Amino acid sequence: DVKVTQSSRYLVKRTGEKVFLECVQDMDHENMFWYRQDPGLGLRLIYFSYDVKMKEKGDIPEGYSVSREKKERFSLILESASTNQTSMYLCASSSYRRSSGNTIYFGEGSWLTVV
Amino acid sequence: AQTVTQSQPEMSVQEAETVTLSCTYDTSESDYYLFWYKQPPSRQMILVIRQEAYKQQNATENRFSVNFQKAAKSFSLKISDSQLGDAAMYFCAYRSADAGGTSYGKLTFGQGTILTVHP
Repeated sequence: DVKVTQSSRYLVKRTGEKVFLECVQDMDHENMFWYRQDPGLGLRLIYFSYDVKMKEKGDIPEGYSVSREKKERFSLILESASTNQTSMYLCASSSYRRSSGNTIYFGEGSWLTVV
Repeated sequence: AQTVTQSQPEMSVQEAETVTLSCTYDTSESDYYLFWYKQPPSRQMILVIRQEAYKQQNATENRFSVNFQKAAKSFSLKISDSQLGDAAMYFCAYRSADAGGTSYGKLTFGQGTILTVHP
């Protein structure tokens, strides 16, 4: 089974702190994603990466950056956390190969509260 | 840009009965994938069923089936013989199959439908 692991399930940070959310996948997937989930808004894409050191902005990249130095790891960075970034963050990965079925696999999510 | 709309914020069903969740989408592409994901209270996103747009046959997975109407851009999920464990938030999602575009691989989600199952 594909496993996508997010390092922290629950975090509480102060306004202005730098926050790192880490994600690791064990299936050699090329694509990795960070989504944010808020009530009534569904899941919105923050950033995605289609290869090591490659990244593309999603729908709501403002206030976030990402890092992908190794294929299996994709980090989401909040340079200066703000209260409006309190949310649930979901990491996901997938292969780009059509033979894989194009399924995207998700981690368990990280609840971030900024106070 | 693609959009996905789930017009039912909440649905409920009696145990053992059938319920249908609605989803519509908008795209100019002809080759794409559609998914239904289930998110229980644990928040783990679980793939329920997937449909490839170029396949006319509706996908089925045990008690779960879809009604895919490509021309109408409609993709509904039918849950038969509902069980208490089916209670969750359900998301409809779209993914382009275009390997050359920068949108490739990105899942676009609907707003979600909360399904309650009554014993």
